[in-house]
Order: sequence, then C-alpha cells, then structure tokens
Amino acid sequence: DIQLTQSPSFLSASVGDTVTITCRASQGISSYLAWYQQKPGKAPKLLIYVASTLQSGVPARFSGSGSGTEFTLTISSLQPEDFATYYCQQLHSYPLIFGGGTKVEIK
Amino acid sequence: QVQLQESGPGLVKPSETLSLTCTVSGGSINSYYWSWIRQPPGKGLEWIGYIYYSGSTNYNPSLKSRVTISVDTSKNQFSLKLSSVTAADTAVYYCVRDRGYVDYWGQGTLVTVSS
Repeated sequence: DIQLTQSPSFLSASVGDTVTITCRASQGISSYLAWYQQKPGKAPKLLIYVASTLQSGVPARFSGSGSGTEFTLTISSLQPEDFATYYCQQLHSYPLIFGGGTKVEIK
Repeated sequence: QVQLQESGPGLVKPSETLSLTCTVSGGSINSYYWSWIRQPPGKGLEWIGYIYYSGSTNYNPSLKSRVTISVDTSKNQFSLKLSSVTAADTAVYYCVRDRGYVDYWGQGTLVTVSS
C-alpha cells in the first residue's frame, strides 16, 4: 500500500499568516492527491482534488501543488474559521490512504 | 445537493456484527461508487471499502475478511457489515460518495464496541 506522511503534525499560527502543510507519498502517485479540512465533531470537507483543483465553494486562499511524491497545501491569510485539522489522501490506487493529519491551532 | 445519512446501533458487543445503513437523498445511487470510512476517537481516517451501484465491491485488505458492503438501489441505500468486532473497531463511521476523492460525507455515527 501507498503510505502518506504529513508534516508537521501540529502547527501554531496567527490570523493573517500563510501556512504550508506537506504530504509525502511512499511512491509516485502522479497528481492523485486530495486535501480535506476537519473541524471537531464534524465530517471532513473536501478542499482540493487531483493535487491542485479547488473544490466548488472553497475559498481561493486555499491552494495545492505538487506531483509525484511531494505535495503541499497552502493557506494564505489564515482566517479564524481555518483553524482545524487537515488531511491528505491519495487517490492513485485502492485502498485509499489518508495522511496522519496536521492540526492548525491559533497562536 | 446530495445528502447521506448513516443509521444503525451505536453500541455493539464484542464478537458480534456491526451493521450500518446509509441512505442517499438528493440524487441517485446509480453511476457512482459509495464507500465507508471510519475514524477512531482522536485518530485518523481509515477507508473500509466501496461498492458500485452494480454491486461490485473492493475492501481494505486489513479488514477484508470481516467486511461486507451491499447495495439496495430501489431504496437508494448501501450497507456495511463488520463481523467479529473488538474494542479496536470503536469509531465514527462515515458513509461517503467515492470518486477516488470524497466529495460528499454523511455526518458520521459513533459505534462503540463494549459489553
């Protein structure tokens, strides 16, 4: 199975900051990666798929990039509602695998 | 707007079978893949398996021996059965629309395995 490693596991940031989360795959997955946001007690929400395509309704401050084995999620000008846990997920092959998550907290 | 709703017991005894049903509304279950994903309390996400509306399935090898997913297109529902459960199966279970990425999620239902 493909393994995904997210870093950092935790980050502390302020409103207005730009933050970057990295997801590394154990083997090349082309652009077959998605990103989700999860708030406590809620289901995850799709932000980005196939590495850089923004899901409808997701603010443009979220962006994704990368291909092969290294991917990034960037949140520009962090807003109060962005404090959450973020997961990457590979869609290259089954079983679908998620990264371990990155919790973004308020500094 | 597609909506998914999980239903089923919130408490299951060890060694018994966990059974959940997902009802899809706002759209047809036809022509898509539908999956179950679970999340143990405070932990990450694990894909359990999918079913296509035609009935073809694919399961996570880590759970394959215990999982059955079925579909009832007449009711716009699909279901999960997980046998021989232990405390390690305690989790929030989500039913989702699976396009490789997941664009629609149910709200999730907590299933606790305990005697």
